[in-house]
Amino acid sequence: GAVVSQHPSRVICKSGTSVKIECRSLDFQATTMFWYRQFPKKSLMLMATSNEGSKATYEQGVEKDKFLINHASLTLSTLTVTSAHPEDSSFYICSAYPGLGSDTQYFGPGTRLTVL
Amino acid sequence: LAKTTQPISMDSYEGQEVNITCSHNNIATNDYITWYQQFPSQGPRFIIQGYKTKVTNEVASLFIPADRKSSTLSLPRVSLSDTAVYYCLVGERDSSYKLIFGSGTRLLVRP
Repeated sequence: GAVVSQHPSRVICKSGTSVKIECRSLDFQATTMFWYRQFPKKSLMLMATSNEGSKATYEQGVEKDKFLINHASLTLSTLTVTSAHPEDSSFYICSAYPGLGSDTQYFGPGTRLTVL
Repeated sequence: LAKTTQPISMDSYEGQEVNITCSHNNIATNDYITWYQQFPSQGPRFIIQGYKTKVTNEVASLFIPADRKSSTLSLPRVSLSDTAVYYCLVGERDSSYKLIFGSGTRLLVRP
């Protein structure tokens, strides 16, 4: 149980295009989902917290207009990287929190984004 | 800023017990201590969680002293496949359960 999927697992796009990454909780409902990015050999950096049906809360320094987050249902959150540039190339990881009574967040497998 | 401090790296050999200690001097009353394991190009995987004393599961043990200002993850008889980065995090179980990752400990298990 407690499986989180991400799609796509890897994506290569041209500079200036937008890319959408999906995060799904497959066997539970997630009241809250989180988005992280991770550069090589570095730790995960929290980008934003999203709650179903409300606007995401972004961490300081994260551009909300560049990283659009939508949490349309209790099992799906999407991250759209708009007008991507090479510096946006990174490993993006989502996690899902089932809510009260749960021990922890469950992480997706990650999405490798490469912007040419 | 992360609320935890861990050694940057550790080396071990197959079959040994590995203990990774994490400092969290400012842990709050409602905070739990959670450890995750991460392999390259994968999302973190939950290992163990505790509040105080000792917790054990099929993978690891977690020792937490009475003052809760530190914790130690114990991996019995490590194998090559335990080579990974291990993160110690503290956070409330309820509300938004926001987690801030520190640098983690890069464990290398040698044959």
